[in-house]
Amino acid sequence: NAGVTQTPKFRVLKTGQSMTLLCAQDMNHEYMYWYRQDPGMGLRLIHYSVGEGTTAKGEVPDGYNVSRLKKQNFLLGLESAAPSQTSVYFCASSVTPYEQFFGPGTRLTVL
Amino acid sequence: AQRVTQPEKLLSVFKGAPVELKCNYSYSGSPELFWYVQYSRQRLQLLLRHISRESIKGFTADLNKGETSFHLKKPFAQEEDSAMYYCALTGGFKTIFGAGTRLFVKA
Repeated sequence: NAGVTQTPKFRVLKTGQSMTLLCAQDMNHEYMYWYRQDPGMGLRLIHYSVGEGTTAKGEVPDGYNVSRLKKQNFLLGLESAAPSQTSVYFCASSVTPYEQFFGPGTRLTVL
Repeated sequence: AQRVTQPEKLLSVFKGAPVELKCNYSYSGSPELFWYVQYSRQRLQLLLRHISRESIKGFTADLNKGETSFHLKKPFAQEEDSAMYYCALTGGFKTIFGAGTRLFVKA
């Protein structure tokens, strides 16, 4: 039981490049979330999903897109990366909106 | 506006001393309040939830709706309590996190 996994662990992009972050969970959770963590700002919700095929915007959705084609996977896409998107990205999942289980994080640097 | 405020970025105490990590929130409705913890090189994990009224690792937190606070307390801090602590509020499907407080327990 791996819990929540994130791929990749680290990535460096140039401004304007695109990439997709993959989050996978094997706990059959309905809810999945993407957060970004920046110094002094805690975690901020980017997008979330309440079930397969659904997505919704969080606090800071601009510049990101998501998809939840399969219940166990939640993808976060950056179409045209900007330096302001340099951050640590965390994925989480939960049975209800309450106790969330977090992945190990992806450290993204945009040059 | 929905907001979670943790006024202390860093809290340093000696081993055996009491510790209180402050959390204030602003939310129009009845939120669920949580404390999450991130130990060094570990994942963020749930420490406790206000509705369960449990004591986890010696920590307790009381929800004060009048003062809109959810402070985390432990009577005797241990070195292994050194970590980053986040207060969080869940309303509807969304969770809002505070900026976090780094607790450092000195020997």
